[in-house]
Order: sequence, then C-alpha cells, then structure tokens
Amino acid sequence: AQKVTQAQTEISVVEKEDVTLDCVYETRDTTYYLFWYKQPPSGELVFLIRRNSFDEQNEISGRYSWNFQKSTSSFNFTITASQVVDSAVYFCALRESGGSYIPTFGRGTSLIVHP
Amino acid sequence: DTGVSQDPRHKITKRGQNVTFRCDPISEHNRLYWYRQTLGQGPEFLTYFQNEAQLEKSRLLSDRFSAERPKGSFSTLEIQRTEQGDSAMYLCASSSLLQGGSNYGYTFGSGTRLTVV
Repeated sequence: AQKVTQAQTEISVVEKEDVTLDCVYETRDTTYYLFWYKQPPSGELVFLIRRNSFDEQNEISGRYSWNFQKSTSSFNFTITASQVVDSAVYFCALRESGGSYIPTFGRGTSLIVHP
Repeated sequence: DTGVSQDPRHKITKRGQNVTFRCDPISEHNRLYWYRQTLGQGPEFLTYFQNEAQLEKSRLLSDRFSAERPKGSFSTLEIQRTEQGDSAMYLCASSSLLQGGSNYGYTFGSGTRLTVV
C-alpha cells in the first residue's frame, strides 16, 4: 500500500528566508511517481512537479527546487527566498505504477510567509 | 482548455437533505476522480471513472454516496441524507491516459465546499 508522510503540519517563516518542506513516502512498487501540489486559499490544487522513480535527478525551477532521494524515500521541496505569495498548503502525493492511477496525498504542510 | 470546473463552489444544506455536485473535466481527459478533503487533511480518494465506467470506489464512499459519469463527459456526485460529518471540500480531478501529457496529468478543479448544518 502506498503512503505519504508530511511530518511538518505548519511552517512559519519571514519573507526571503529559505524553507524546506519534507515528504517521506512508502511503496512496494519499483516504478512510481511523486508529485507536489500547492493549494492556495482559493482551494484549487495547483500542480508544481512530477518526478518518476527512475529519475533521481534533482530539479530546479526558479525559486523552487526538489531533492529526490530513493535511499531515504524522500522527496523534499525547497523554496528559496520565500515570498508572501508562497503562503499556501503544500501537498506531496505518490502514485504507484499501473493499476488505477490513483494518487495518494499526504496531509499537507501549511506554509505561512510573513512580510 | 478551460480546466476542470466544479459547481457549485459552496453548498450549505440541512442535515438529512440530498445534495448533488457537478464536475466538468478537461474535454480530452478520459479519467475523472473524486476526492474529499476535510480541514487540515490531504485529499482522500473517493472514486474514479475511466470514460463512463466507474472502476474503483473507496471505503469512504458509503451507501449514501453515488457518482455517475454519463457518456464519459461530466460527472455528478450525489450525497443522500447528508450528515454533519459529510462537511468537507469535494474535489474533482481529471487526467489522460496518454503518457507525456502535462504533469501526467492530474488537473484539479477548485472544489465544492459542503457545509451540513
């Protein structure tokens, strides 16, 4: 069974600080997909990134970066020089290969960026 | 491509009433998912469709819940005899089986927030 753990319930930072959101997952599949979504107060889940299990290359997109480590089953998300607009709930999700293509989500980390 | 649309955005109902939500997926997406999200939790899977076929249902989907996707286009989620515990955000997502599609490819709507009083 697939499981995603986001141990940080809430993180509060001051603007321009760097912040890392942790995600640890469990799966028996050797092929799987990991996702990060952002949920602003409006409620819509906004896709940020998808990572395949066979691609451990870290990725950077502007102020966002992701560190995927299969050895520790982690897929952490770092925001550099945080901004107030980054305030949202961030969800990590896992989808195992084949079958029903149903992603399982973590409980989310609420990020509050203070000006 | 106007994204995934959900209607209504908010619904307040009295306990015991029936409610129905609608989801319009991205037109070329053949898979449609319903999730429920309660305060402080991540989205929890309810059910999904491939075209018009409902292929899987979660144990969270009690007998009072029913979902349909006639003709494989829009979907409706109905809750009968609502209970206060049904209060939540109901999210719809759609995806395509085609690999290489954007984000492979789960696009979510803004959700319907249900409050049962």
